[in-house]
Amino acid sequence: EIVLTQSPGTLSLSPGERATLSCRASQSLSDTYLGWYQQRPGQAPRLLISGAFRRATGIPDRFSGSGSGTDFTLTISRLEPEDSAVYYCQQYGSSVWTFGPGTKVEIK
Amino acid sequence: EVQLLQSGAEVKKAGESLQISCQGSGYSFINYWIGWVRQMPGKGLEWVGIFCPADSDARYSPSFRGRVTLSADKSVNTAYLQWSSLQASDTARYFCARLPGTVGIPSTMVTTDGYFDYWGQGTLVTVSS
Repeated sequence: EIVLTQSPGTLSLSPGERATLSCRASQSLSDTYLGWYQQRPGQAPRLLISGAFRRATGIPDRFSGSGSGTDFTLTISRLEPEDSAVYYCQQYGSSVWTFGPGTKVEIK
Repeated sequence: EVQLLQSGAEVKKAGESLQISCQGSGYSFINYWIGWVRQMPGKGLEWVGIFCPADSDARYSPSFRGRVTLSADKSVNTAYLQWSSLQASDTARYFCARLPGTVGIPSTMVTTDGYFDYWGQGTLVTVSS
């Protein structure tokens, strides 16, 4: 089973700042098999990125994904108040699909 | 518009059975796998399993295999997650979500379509001991 580790646990930034969220896999993973989700308080998760860098329909271009191998990154280029949420990565490149523990983004 | 509408909150006792539902609309229900994800109180997301309405193929996470059963009724565009004997540790919110592709998922589970593009609102299951 591929274990995903996300860092930092919590990120506290001001509107307009850049957020960089990390997702590290315990084994090398093709970038084809990595997704990112946003979960706002009290809501269902929402797909942001699939295949490590493909934005989902309707997702603003200030969200971008990158990475390969064992290290992947979600970048939010200019934070807005509505970006306050927990962000999860997910891998689907092994027999057991797994999610990372999440990074909480707080907007000051 | 693709929508997944889940059944309402449930309060049960340990040992009881339960089935929760997820009704799809706005797309061809039979052609897309439905997945289930657990979120325990204050915790992260865990993959439970996926189900194909077209041929009733079910795949389970090892953590949930034998504990839950996935199924669907194509005639009413509805997928189900079922427990035969609940435990207090089953207390969580359960989300259904759609996989994006219409092709089969290989037995290896390695697929470019293994992510969830549309989600239901979640069903809160509370089990008392």
